[in-house]
Amino acid sequence: NAGVTQTPKFRVLKTGQSMTLLCAQDMNHEYMYWYRQDPGMGLRLIHYSVGEGTTAKGEVPDGYNVSRLKKQNFLLGLESAAPSQTSVYFCASSYEAGLSPLHFGNGTRLTVT
Amino acid sequence: GDSVTQMEGPVTLSEEAFLTINCTYTATGYPSLFWYVQYPGEGLQLLLKATKADDKGSNKGFEATYRKETTSFHLEKGSVQVSDSAVYFCALSFIYGNKLVFGAGTILRVKS
Repeated sequence: NAGVTQTPKFRVLKTGQSMTLLCAQDMNHEYMYWYRQDPGMGLRLIHYSVGEGTTAKGEVPDGYNVSRLKKQNFLLGLESAAPSQTSVYFCASSYEAGLSPLHFGNGTRLTVT
Repeated sequence: GDSVTQMEGPVTLSEEAFLTINCTYTATGYPSLFWYVQYPGEGLQLLLKATKADDKGSNKGFEATYRKETTSFHLEKGSVQVSDSAVYFCALSFIYGNKLVFGAGTILRVKS
């Protein structure tokens, strides 16, 4: 029962470095999401996808890019990391929009120094 | 825009105490409402939901009733356990919407 798997679990970057966070789901879900979680701010949506080959901006998209080349994978890229991007990143997927529950991965803790 | 407001935490209770975590929302239209729970070191998981006014969602002893007149969806449990210690998030969504709007989360700590 893998569900939603995120890699890596932890990462430390220096300012200006780049990296890609990988999310994989094995539930054949159409919808996938990237959130960031910061203390006192809940979860904020970065980007999302409503199907293979589609992406859309969420609430806080600046500084991030995403790709959904395969239905089961949703990649989040940071081209030039900044300390403000220090956060815990969660990927989620759902069968459909609206009423379907989101299934979350266990998160990636990213520190940018 | 749409938003969710939760009571600030942390909330600290003794085992078997009664729990209430307040949640109110602002939205155009009639959203569906959710409570998600995040245990330490894990992602969020759905706890319960309600899709229309006066609906009551329930799961694992937790309950919440969708109150349209007060735009609220307060989470309650009659007797908490140490294992309920977690962060609880209230959220809203629309049936044709593409995303959830989360509150800031409320930390619950239950002492034995």
